[in-house]
Amino acid sequence: AQTVTQSQPEMSVQEAETVTLSCTYDTSENNYYLFWYKQPPSRQMILVIRQEAYKQQNATENRFSVNFQKAAKSFSLKISDSQLGDTAMYFCAFMKSFNAGGTSYGKLTFGQGTILTVHP
Amino acid sequence: EPEVTQTPSHQVTQMGQEVILRCVPISNHLYFYWYRQILGQKVEFLVSFYNNEISEKSEIFDDQFSVERPDGSNFTLKIRSTKLEDSAMYFCASNWGGMDEQFFGPGTRLTVL
Repeated sequence: AQTVTQSQPEMSVQEAETVTLSCTYDTSENNYYLFWYKQPPSRQMILVIRQEAYKQQNATENRFSVNFQKAAKSFSLKISDSQLGDTAMYFCAFMKSFNAGGTSYGKLTFGQGTILTVHP
Repeated sequence: EPEVTQTPSHQVTQMGQEVILRCVPISNHLYFYWYRQILGQKVEFLVSFYNNEISEKSEIFDDQFSVERPDGSNFTLKIRSTKLEDSAMYFCASNWGGMDEQFFGPGTRLTVL
């Protein structure tokens, strides 16, 4: 079974600064996907960024980027130029690439979450 | 922009009662999921559904739970006899391909008294 660990229950950052959220995972799979989801106070789950394990290049989406270290099983999220709207719970998630008869199933395994507060 | 919708937004029920949580996935999506989040805890996978059958389920998804796609648009989660520990936020999600981004609904908060 896969496990995902986020060791930082809470983080805070000043507006316009940079913050990094940590995530480690444990798996015996070689092919998988990693995600960061944002959950604002509304509790809606919003995809922030996605990384395919077979890609060596780190994914980026505007102010969001990841540092994916496959050997270390580490997947951190860097938020640059933090904005007040970034205040939310952030979840790291794992999905194994599973094929059965050509069909892939998309079970997401989530970490415990990190509450990020951006201060003005 | 298409979105996943869920009803009701909040359901209060008595222990032992049956509840049905409803979801309308994005119309051309083929894979459907239920997750739950007990307050203050992580999001947990319950079940995935494809081609009108369960493709994977977690140990949480016992005989008290069932899912159904009754009419080609709705996707429901039924809890037959609710327990206090079923109180949680329940999220529906869908995607076109199993490995694609999952789009989440806004959730249904279930409170069991």
